[in-house]
Amino acid sequence: QKEVEQDPGPLSVPEGAIVSLNCTYSNSAFQYFMWYRQYSRKGPELLMYTYSSGNKEDGRFTAQVDKSSKYISLFIRDSQPSDSATYLCAMSAGGGADGLTFGKGTHLIIQP
Amino acid sequence: KAGVTQTPRYLIKTRGQQVTLSCSPISGHRSVSWYQQTPGQGLQFLFEYFSETQRNKGNFPGRFSGRQFSNSRSEMNVSTLELGDSALYLCASRVGANVLTFGAGSRLTVL
Repeated sequence: QKEVEQDPGPLSVPEGAIVSLNCTYSNSAFQYFMWYRQYSRKGPELLMYTYSSGNKEDGRFTAQVDKSSKYISLFIRDSQPSDSATYLCAMSAGGGADGLTFGKGTHLIIQP
Repeated sequence: KAGVTQTPRYLIKTRGQQVTLSCSPISGHRSVSWYQQTPGQGLQFLFEYFSETQRNKGNFPGRFSGRQFSNSRSEMNVSTLELGDSALYLCASRVGANVLTFGAGSRLTVL
């Protein structure tokens, strides 16, 4: 079992829909949780950063962490074609020197 | 403010050769980390450098090495290239815990 599991998709939804992206993990030491977005031929860019359990909202994006279930989610409201990209979850136990553990990414397609 | 700059963006090598990739972090960022991205394994941590010292290393063979210079610029080297080393190599710099800013990557193809 990999440390972080993420459905690779592709996930195709119509414009304006609410998108739900998820990751599960096995390492209970993880405390820091991130979502990155990666466009084709680009590096990942940080979307959301959460410490421990709870919710965090930033514009159309909401990140949720449930440490008891080892489950994290990213919700995108009012999805736009420009949201079409690969979304990667990432997590770490410490402050970053030990590296991030990434999911393989979900390829999201927003249909106009 | 300039982002993380990686060179070269694309390169093709043959098996057995070696390659050196370069990364210039965001000005003021002293921590640089390297990741390998492949379709099969996703993004995997290679190593992190801070103030010219390697602080951590991922589960990669000794053919993968790196260094950091006094101006925080970093290089990684892969010796005796294998077909499986074909990947996108990403460099990231950070200030503060876990907030990585990635470059666009260097895409290596090994023939």
